[in-house]
Amino acid sequence: EIVLTQSPGTLSLSPGERATLSCRAGQSVGTSLAWYQQKPGQAPRLLIYDASRRATGIPDRFSGGGSGTDFTLTISSLEPEDFAVFYCQHYARSPHIFGRGTRLEIK
Amino acid sequence: QVELVESGGGLVKPGTSLRLSCAASGFSFNDFYMGWVRQAPGEGLEWISYINSAGSIIYFEDSLKGRFTISRDNAQNSLFLQMNSLRVADTAIYFCARATTYYDTSTGYYRPGAFDLWGQGTMVTVSS
Repeated sequence: EIVLTQSPGTLSLSPGERATLSCRAGQSVGTSLAWYQQKPGQAPRLLIYDASRRATGIPDRFSGGGSGTDFTLTISSLEPEDFAVFYCQHYARSPHIFGRGTRLEIK
Repeated sequence: QVELVESGGGLVKPGTSLRLSCAASGFSFNDFYMGWVRQAPGEGLEWISYINSAGSIIYFEDSLKGRFTISRDNAQNSLFLQMNSLRVADTAIYFCARATTYYDTSTGYYRPGAFDLWGQGTMVTVSS
């Protein structure tokens, strides 16, 4: 199976700052990677698919990049509603594993 | 509106069975891959399974094969997860989700991609 390692585990930033989250795959997944945001008590929400395509309705301050084994999710200028847990998931082949998540908290 | 609504969760004893359902509305259910994801209390997301639109192609987490099965009824716009021999470790919120699809040029098959629509989840608690 292809393991996904997310870093950092927790990221403490202030509104207005830039956030960069990392997701590293144990083997190449091409661009078959998605990013999700989950707030407490809510279902996850798709932000990015195919490594860099924004899902419908996602603000353009969210961007995804990378291919192969190294991926990033960037939030260009944090809004108060952006603080949450972020997960990456690959779908290159089964099992379609999620990373363990990065918690983005208000500093 | 476009939504997924799960049902069937509850408190059960170890060794028993439970069948979760997911009712889809607002989109052409029979055009999409669907799947299940779970989340244990305070933990991350765990992928369980995908099923294609016809119900003929299934991907499943190896550790759950043999105890859990996925199925769908396109006439009823419904997705199911049959869970047998439940364990305390199966305690989690179970989410139903719709998957995007992409064309795999290396194989010539359409494969499931990211989950672009999620239900709110149904809680399953396994405890004696």
